[in-house]
Amino acid sequence: EVQLVESGGGLVQPGGSLRLSCAASGFTFSSYDMHWVRQATGKGLEWVSGVRTFGDPYYLDSVKGRFTISRENAKNSLYLQMSSLRAGDTAVYYCARETSTNAFDVWGQGTMVIVSS
Amino acid sequence: SSELTQDPAVSVALGQTVRITCQGDSLRRFYAGWYQQKPGQAPLLVIFGNNNRPSGIPDRFSGSSSGNTASLTISGTQAEDEADYYCNSRDSSGNHVLFGRGTKLIVL
Repeated sequence: EVQLVESGGGLVQPGGSLRLSCAASGFTFSSYDMHWVRQATGKGLEWVSGVRTFGDPYYLDSVKGRFTISRENAKNSLYLQMSSLRAGDTAVYYCARETSTNAFDVWGQGTMVIVSS
Repeated sequence: SSELTQDPAVSVALGQTVRITCQGDSLRRFYAGWYQQKPGQAPLLVIFGNNNRPSGIPDRFSGSSSGNTASLTISGTQAEDEADYYCNSRDSSGNHVLFGRGTKLIVL
């Protein structure tokens, strides 16, 4: 079964750091571009960051310099290191697999990040 | 262009046909995808590559694209189709992913 499972969310103070992980199974992880997408409560989907198969990352402007996406193909894992967190980063964070047509065809269940003092 | 525009809400009578649209300059160059999201659930891809249905998606869901507008059409709308629908594509540079703000579909 094709599956993505996120972990690492939680409560963190403003200015703090958190590392999210996404474990992939059921497909050849190294063959796909992977992404993080977030959704604040009651709001829409917001793309955060993506990483290409060969490791080239790209970011939403508001997280550039604060978030770092990475992948470890040998472990079928995707990561998002988040630092200098702000209240506006509070959201459910999903990892997602990208198809050749730029669509996201597999999503995890999400992990909640709450930035609050 | 740096955004995709969707109507905030659309309503449709049970069994009727509804079209949800997504506008953005980047749609002239990049494919659109459509996602259904129900409360408490992760998004579900219902259309990719402008007009293709993933396996398992009912054939009442269809997509099209012309110029700067992509459309999702649901024919014979069912009660279980009530959900939020999001379009996505790339920005004009291709270096960022965009999502529309979503359309809440209300089935009457």
